[in-house]
Amino acid sequence: AQSVTQPDARVTVSEGASLQLRCKYSYSGTPYLFWYVQYPRQGLQLLLKYYSGDPVVQGVNGFEAEFIKSNSSFHLRKASVHWSDSAVYFCAVSAGNNNAPRFGAGTKLSVKP
Amino acid sequence: EAAVTQSPRSKVAVTGGKVTLSCHQTNNHDYMYWYRQDTGHGLRLIHYSYVADSTEKGDIPDGYKASRPSQENFSLILELASLSQTAVYFCASSPDIYEQYFGPGTRLTVL
Repeated sequence: AQSVTQPDARVTVSEGASLQLRCKYSYSGTPYLFWYVQYPRQGLQLLLKYYSGDPVVQGVNGFEAEFIKSNSSFHLRKASVHWSDSAVYFCAVSAGNNNAPRFGAGTKLSVKP
Repeated sequence: EAAVTQSPRSKVAVTGGKVTLSCHQTNNHDYMYWYRQDTGHGLRLIHYSYVADSTEKGDIPDGYKASRPSQENFSLILELASLSQTAVYFCASSPDIYEQYFGPGTRLTVL
């Protein structure tokens, strides 16, 4: 089955700095990739998704991610973070064909004022 | 209006007791899922369903049963609750196997 690795459990950046959260997936076929955000005591909300086409996808609130097939990666980026971006971010992969999406362990982002 | 709701939002159960977590969606989605969230493990898939009256095992189904009596409702049943099942449980729905819509979660504490 497909799987996801998020190597950074916690990331701290200063407000206004750029951000990259790493995600690597394991799946031999063409994956469907997602980033979700979870604010405290809430469910997950979709930030962006990649199904096919342009490997750089834009999401909400200035987030983007790039699918690099040769590296099995789908890193999340933001040019300038805001304190309100503090949350837990999850990467997920689906193989399609009735295979449910699998999630990484998540990265907790803290933005310092 | 919330499209995926879960009940209860929190519950304290005793070891060995039976627990039922309920999920209701108004999205008209075919797929529904149950995940559990533990610190350091992210979300792990317990059961899912892509049609009413049918369920599929996920990655950690042991100790859990699932029931999908209708398109809108999906329950997770712990017949004999154990300490290790203390976690936050999330239900989600999706129109296909891709983008998911999550409920607010149920915090279960087993004592």
